[in-house]
Amino acid sequence: QVQLQESGPGLVNPSQTLSLTCTVSGDSISGGDHYLNWIRQHPGKGLEWIGSISDSGKTYYSPSLKSRLTISVDTSKSQFSLELNSVTAADTAVYYCARELSRKYSIFGGVGHYYVMDVWGQGTTVTVSS
Amino acid sequence: SSELTQDPAVSVALGQTVRITCQGDSLRGHYASWYQQKPGQAPIVVIYGDNFRPSGIPDRFSGSGSGTSASLTITGAHAEDEADYYCHSRDSSGNVVVFGRGTKLTVL
Repeated sequence: QVQLQESGPGLVNPSQTLSLTCTVSGDSISGGDHYLNWIRQHPGKGLEWIGSISDSGKTYYSPSLKSRLTISVDTSKSQFSLELNSVTAADTAVYYCARELSRKYSIFGGVGHYYVMDVWGQGTTVTVSS
Repeated sequence: SSELTQDPAVSVALGQTVRITCQGDSLRGHYASWYQQKPGQAPIVVIYGDNFRPSGIPDRFSGSGSGTSASLTITGAHAEDEADYYCHSRDSSGNVVVFGRGTKLTVL
């Protein structure tokens, strides 16, 4: 059974870099047709996608965070990481990592395609404050 | 636009049927996935594809989709179904994840 676990500091000073790691257990971090995502949720708000790294190592970032964001993967450690620099109080949130599958399948009349985030970490709260 | 639109809040009487909808261009060519999130917990997937349920999700949850819309139906709502529900897909390029803003379901 695949599990994801976020780790990192719960408190970050303003203007510094927020660094989080997601450790994947129970399955290979590599392999076909999946993305590894970072998602955050501000207090009382909805889910906000931060960015993804694909199984081929290509990164995709939210346009609103792209200038401050780096996502990387270390397959030897079964981990992927998030670095968000120049943080402010607006970056205070619960941060989740999630595996996202991309699947196409035969369906009556054609081909179905879906993306699904089938495994999530439990989330880690990050507060930006001095 | 890559946004997904959901009603902010929906209510249903205990035991009745409720449908939660999601609309947006990102659903063209892709089925939505639906997530349930209870306070203090990570989201869990309840429906994906045209109508797949992960193991452990009750069969009162079902999904459908066509064109640029998708819906999640709960047939015979239970008290424990009270939660926030989010739809998800990717934009037409496949490069950008899109979430709906969420629907808060209240079971009366």
